[in-house]
Amino acid sequence: AQSVTQLGSHVSVSEGALVLLRCNYSSSVPPYLFWYVQYPNQGLQLLLKYTSAATLVKGINGFEAEFKKSETSFHLTKPSAHMSDAAEYFCAVSSTGGFKTIFGAGTRLFVKA
Amino acid sequence: KAGVTQTPRYLIKTRGQQVTLSCSPISGHRSVSWYQQTPGQGLQFLFEYFSETQRNKGNFPGRFSGRQFSNSRSEMNVSTLELGDSALYLCASSASGTSGGVSYNEQFFGPGTRLTVL
Repeated sequence: AQSVTQLGSHVSVSEGALVLLRCNYSSSVPPYLFWYVQYPNQGLQLLLKYTSAATLVKGINGFEAEFKKSETSFHLTKPSAHMSDAAEYFCAVSSTGGFKTIFGAGTRLFVKA
Repeated sequence: KAGVTQTPRYLIKTRGQQVTLSCSPISGHRSVSWYQQTPGQGLQFLFEYFSETQRNKGNFPGRFSGRQFSNSRSEMNVSTLELGDSALYLCASSASGTSGGVSYNEQFFGPGTRLTVL
């Protein structure tokens, strides 16, 4: 069965600092991997997705993630945090055969001025 | 292109009642998935419908059911509501295929329906 583990339920960074949110997946087949962001009282917005075309995936708002099969990881990074990045971030995995997406527990990002 | 629409946005019910939530997907998308989000359990997959057929199912009791219509709009129903059913219910509109030799897989979420069970 597929699963996703997000390391750290809360991450705090200073404005302008590097953002690193960790995600490890377990999947028996090459997966689709996603990062979503959720702002308070809103739905999920797709930041980026990995679909095997390239291991380094660039997303919206300056975020990117690197797929490392040997480490089964898909960590999310942003070189310089902005106050508007404060939100909850979810790593997710799905495989072929329909849209059954498995989400990690989420990481809440705090950005300090 | 219009986004995913979920109605109603907020709902308050009492224990034992039933509720129906609606989701209108993006035009052309034939797959609709439903998720439950709670502080304790996080985001959990309920079920997916594709072309009016349930294609995938999560681990929820039979009180949770859904259906999809020929225009791809979907409804989910929860019967005999329990306090623990209070949650944000998210609908996702999805499509996959191949375009120009490149496969794609896209999923867009609606704003959710906030259900409170008293």
